Amino acid sequence: EAGVAQSPRYKIIEKRQSVAFWCNPISGHATLYWYQQILGQGPKLLIQFQNNGVVDDSQLPKDRFSAERLKGVDSTLKIQPAKLEDSAVYLCASSWPPQGQGGDGYTFGSGTRLTVV
Amino acid sequence: SQQGEEDPQALSIQEGENATMNCSYKTSINNLQWYRQNSGRGLVHLILIRSNEREKHSGRLRVTLDTSKKSSSLLITASRAADTASYFCATRNYNQGGKLIFGQGTELSVKP
Repeated sequence: EAGVAQSPRYKIIEKRQSVAFWCNPISGHATLYWYQQILGQGPKLLIQFQNNGVVDDSQLPKDRFSAERLKGVDSTLKIQPAKLEDSAVYLCASSWPPQGQGGDGYTFGSGTRLTVV
Repeated sequence: SQQGEEDPQALSIQEGENATMNCSYKTSINNLQWYRQNSGRGLVHLILIRSNEREKHSGRLRVTLDTSKKSSSLLITASRAADTASYFCATRNYNQGGKLIFGQGTELSVKP
């Protein structure tokens, strides 16, 4: 079974520029998550999708961050414009079965390391 | 918001010693999971314990869960230098969206 794919692995941008990250979840996983992990901290959930609908985006800074999951498969996370404090690792994860129906199978990708200078 | 608090924030031990990390959380859960993360690398799932379980073992790992105190501990026995990493607990509640909520982590250093 292929894992959760993320790209790029690394990205360096200047502040006020825009950047986009891509995630391809495990085939058949209905739920997709984006996390932000700042150095020295635990991962923080930014947004959760169920198929192509948003379940939870309460911690997404919507003035600069946006995310979409077209057709309920791949997802992109965008930052525009980036700030220095956005430097972090952005992790994508997917899970099945749909929420609330037991089981687990939460799988993380390797992440994208963003450096804003 | 973070669900858990982990204690200690940093732990330094000698090879062969045991390492114990603690995690406290705030809301009800269906399961609690422990992950390891080497510096600059991805998250590695270590072990999952369900809310109706009190103790679980996997190799040199032992996890306990006390739902009345909303706390868990991870014990690594006979530690090795290769165990040097950050360790995170994460909780999951299927009635709250099923997302994993992480603590801030314990940084473990095992000296040869």
